Amino acid sequence: GENVEQHPSTLSVQEGDSAVIKCTYSDSASNYFPWYKQELGKRPQLIIDIRSNVGEKKDQRIAVTLNKTAKHFSLHITETQPEDSAVYFCAATGYNFNKFYFGSGTKLNVKP
Amino acid sequence: GAVVSQHPSRVICKSGTSVKIECRSLDFQATTMFWYRQFPKKSLMLMATSNEGSKATYEQGVEKDKFLINHASLTLSTLTVTSAHPEDSSFYICSARDQGRGWTEAFFGQGTRLTVV
Repeated sequence: GENVEQHPSTLSVQEGDSAVIKCTYSDSASNYFPWYKQELGKRPQLIIDIRSNVGEKKDQRIAVTLNKTAKHFSLHITETQPEDSAVYFCAATGYNFNKFYFGSGTKLNVKP
Repeated sequence: GAVVSQHPSRVICKSGTSVKIECRSLDFQATTMFWYRQFPKKSLMLMATSNEGSKATYEQGVEKDKFLINHASLTLSTLTVTSAHPEDSSFYICSARDQGRGWTEAFFGQGTRLTVV
């Protein structure tokens, strides 16, 4: 299956600063890359996604960039707020579009 | 968004017994569901793909005889942990994707915390 690596594992930022989380994947056939946010004790929720035919996508304070040649994609959160504190997971589909393979997660702590 | 419901949310069982976990799509039909295992402070590890009306496909390293998956209808998949041992204690979570929404977003159940004593 697909191998997804995610960095950093923990990230602390001051409120208002930007946060960047990076992922790499191994299977060049992967064509869909979602990002999920999991708050403590809750189920993962999709926050943004990107398809392989797009290099960048933005939704208010959140953006995702994709470099297919280098097989890496990143999540950018600007003007961070305490409610952004959570664990963030990246994922890739691999050759089977149905499946998601997740990165190891990044615990983001936004300090007020 | 679409709703996936998982039951039970917590279960404690004795070593050697079997435990069944249910995953239901409440407002859409799911021909495929996915089962994950999440260790503390770790990622979601894909265990298997549950296929309605056919056998589940398991990821490498996952024992299919230990983790029995049944997908008898378009809205229900079950995961049975057989002959459970303490090392099977974990957080199990299912997900499903809604074909009507273009097969993109995966919706997750609330997860099941299994403790084997």
